[in-house]
Amino acid sequence: KNQVEQSPQSLIILEGKNCTLQCNYTVSPFSNLRWYKQDTGRGPVSLTIMTFSENTKSNGRYTATLDADTKQSSLHITASQLSDSASYICVVSAFTGGFKTIFGAGTRLFVKA
Amino acid sequence: DSGVTQTPKHLITATGQRVTLRCSPRSGDLSVYWYQQSLDQGLQFLIQYYNGEERAKGNILERFSAQQFPDLHSELNLSSLELGDSALYFCASSVDDGTGIYGYTFGSGTRLTVV
Repeated sequence: KNQVEQSPQSLIILEGKNCTLQCNYTVSPFSNLRWYKQDTGRGPVSLTIMTFSENTKSNGRYTATLDADTKQSSLHITASQLSDSASYICVVSAFTGGFKTIFGAGTRLFVKA
Repeated sequence: DSGVTQTPKHLITATGQRVTLRCSPRSGDLSVYWYQQSLDQGLQFLIQYYNGEERAKGNILERFSAQQFPDLHSELNLSSLELGDSALYFCASSVDDGTGIYGYTFGSGTRLTVV
């Protein structure tokens, strides 16, 4: 069964600290993996998109890694800011006769002053 | 502004009623996707249209229907509304037919409250 699981479910960190969010997937055959940031009540905004051949991709203070062998991805946030408080969603697409996209449930990050 | 326009932003209606949510995709995007997000829940895929044709279907109830018009805007129709249909409904668009390789652009959503 195609699944995307994210951990932790929620996380509280102090402003200025780093954190890492995890995404494990069983989606196959893998096409691409995306990380989105969703502020409360707003639409998700794309942070990174990675294909099979990409291991790391950065977007400012956000760095995503992908290990296609172990089917794991992580999103590392450096020097967190209060505005980083949001849900972070891992999305994996597979091609199974047509493209199928699976959304993770998200990790809710709270950054405190 | 993401370029994806959803109207209305808020909608309050009674149980048993029917509503229509509208989405205009980003210029140049041919695919439109509809998602439902209940309170504190993840995004649930409802349906995708590509260039006017239904391309993929998710967990969309029979009471819900959608279409994409020749100008590529899309409408999501929700009928016989129940309290449990209260949620944020997001529309997203992409230039491709569903690969996701270029990512999706999401609108700001329509918040539906059924009373």
